[in-house]
Amino acid sequence: DIQLTQSPFTLSASVGDRVTITCRASQSISKWLAWYQQRPGKAPKLLIYKASSLEGGVPSRFSGGGSGTEFTLTITSLQPDDFTTYYCQQYHTSPWTFGQGTKVEVK
Amino acid sequence: QVQLQESGPGLVKPAETLSLTCTVSGYSIMSGYNWAWIRQPPGKGLEWIGSVYLGSTLYHPYLKSRLTISVATSKNQVSLKLASVTAADTAVYYCARQPDTDYYMDVWGNGTTVFVSS
Repeated sequence: DIQLTQSPFTLSASVGDRVTITCRASQSISKWLAWYQQRPGKAPKLLIYKASSLEGGVPSRFSGGGSGTEFTLTITSLQPDDFTTYYCQQYHTSPWTFGQGTKVEVK
Repeated sequence: QVQLQESGPGLVKPAETLSLTCTVSGYSIMSGYNWAWIRQPPGKGLEWIGSVYLGSTLYHPYLKSRLTISVATSKNQVSLKLASVTAADTAVYYCARQPDTDYYMDVWGNGTTVFVSS
């Protein structure tokens, strides 16, 4: 299985900050990576697919980058609703796998 | 607007079979897309379980021997059956839609919690 490792596990930030979450794959997955946001008690929500394509309706302060084995999710100007957990997911090779999650918390 | 709604018993006894249904509204599952099941144990991360595209299935290898995912096109539903459950199968179970050739999940149900306990 392809392993995805997110860093950091927890990120402390303030409203208005720019933050970046990294997702590293155990082997090359080209651009077949998605990012999700999950609020407590809620289903995940797709933010980014194909590494850098923004899902419709998602604010432009979210952006994705990278290819191969290293990917990033950047949130420019953090908003109060953004303090929650984020997951990456690879869909290069089945079984599709997720990173362990990164929690963005208030500093 | 497509919506997915999971349903099923919230409590299953060990060694029994867990059965869940995902009802899709706003879209005919006969028209395409893959339909996936994902689970999330309490306090943990997300785990893809399996997917179905009309009659074709793709399962996580370590669940394959216990898992059946199928579609009921007349009811516009996707079902999951997981046999011989243990406490490790306790989780929130989500159904989700996957584009035909890109296997990310673009639409999710709200999830249903399943406890495995005697």
